[in-house]
Amino acid sequence: KQEVTQIPAALSVPEGENLVLNCSFTDSAIYNLQWFRQDPGKGLTSLLLIQSSQREQTSGRLNASLDKSSGRSTLYIAASQPGDSATYLCAVRLNYGGSQGNLIFGKGTKLSVKP
Amino acid sequence: GAGVSQTPSNKVTEKGKYVELRCDPISGHTALYWYRQSLGQGPEFLIYFQGTGAADDSGLPNDRFFAVRPEGSVSTLKIQRTERGDSAVYLCASSLYRTSGANVLTFGAGSRLTVL
Repeated sequence: KQEVTQIPAALSVPEGENLVLNCSFTDSAIYNLQWFRQDPGKGLTSLLLIQSSQREQTSGRLNASLDKSSGRSTLYIAASQPGDSATYLCAVRLNYGGSQGNLIFGKGTKLSVKP
Repeated sequence: GAGVSQTPSNKVTEKGKYVELRCDPISGHTALYWYRQSLGQGPEFLIYFQGTGAADDSGLPNDRFFAVRPEGSVSTLKIQRTERGDSAVYLCASSLYRTSGANVLTFGAGSRLTVL
């Protein structure tokens, strides 16, 4: 059974720091991996999607990497800002027919960026 | 619509009652998903629709849970004989269908269900 783990559960950093969030998964047979952001009382916002054949994706100050063989992904946030404060969730899509909607999520890392 | 709309935003009910939660996806999105998120946990997959049919309902926890999408747009999640353990935020998402599998999901704000 696929399990997704995110470390740390919570992180507090001063504004301007670069930081890394970690995600690990137990079964390397994934179709893709996504990073989401969740603000309190709101839904999830997709940040980056990495296909299983890709190694990384970048969007602005965000860079996500994927090492499928070791079951790991990292989300790198450069020059963090208070507006980055949110919970960041990692999710893998399983690799079987009809599994388009079945994302397995981690519990998230709650990030707080202090001004 | 501009985003995924879910109603009600909050629902408080008593144990044993029947509950319906509604999801209005982004116009033109053929794929629709229901997830459930308990406090301190990540979202948990319930069911995925492609058009009017449930392409994957493997996440529904038991036969008290049922979802429909009769016209391929709005979906309703139905919970019978609610239990306290059903208390959670129910999230709906929609996406275009891509043969590449790179479906970017847009989530609604969720419906918070509290069963007393």
